[in-house]
Amino acid sequence: DTGVSQDPRHKITKRGQNVTFRCDPISEHNRLYWYRQTLGQGPEFLTYFQNEAQLEKSRLLSDRFSAERPKGSFSTLEIQRTEQGDSAMYLCASSSAGTGQETQYFGPGTRLLVL
Amino acid sequence: GENVEQHPSTLSVQEGDSAVIKCTYSDSASNYFPWYKQELGKGPQLIIDIRSNVGEKKDQRIAVTLNKTAKHFSLHITETQPEDSAVYFCAAIERGGGADGLTFGKGTHLIIQP
Repeated sequence: DTGVSQDPRHKITKRGQNVTFRCDPISEHNRLYWYRQTLGQGPEFLTYFQNEAQLEKSRLLSDRFSAERPKGSFSTLEIQRTEQGDSAMYLCASSSAGTGQETQYFGPGTRLLVL
Repeated sequence: GENVEQHPSTLSVQEGDSAVIKCTYSDSASNYFPWYKQELGKGPQLIIDIRSNVGEKKDQRIAVTLNKTAKHFSLHITETQPEDSAVYFCAAIERGGGADGLTFGKGTHLIIQP
């Protein structure tokens, strides 16, 4: 499968715990995006990387959230001191910037439930 | 920032009939408008997109129209089939602008009645 993959697919945690999600983009895609989707809503942009550089952050991304893409390939999204309001689907997408084909392709998402 | 409104929130049509979903956007700088289909438990899947230099694009039973003056765009699905049942999202973005995150509408739950 050459699509975007995310791990884990589901995560249940207790309030106050830290969680980390991983995203593997489509091979050779240089842009990687994180979105959050709550029930009944469209995805909301959180942040994106071009190669290993984090270029944009939404104000939705509080100080408890941090994202990395250390080698310009896979990315991790960490949430510290989780709150019940963090319960959502976390989606990753990738695209190939600069080729004229900048369509964003989404992974299956990681569903987080904070108890 | 960009704001995208999508209507209706739920649409029920008979199998074989056409379905139309409409979106409006606020930022005249937006120039790329994709449509995604999301099935339960899955990530959004791109079904069609349109750039601001064209007014209409078709792909088999699916078409998208764009009116830049009015800042609205629509998804048209003809000859609907049961597998078209899903949630559909429109989105907008200014490609090449400062923010490269898509702004999505709230989604339309399309139900195809057999």
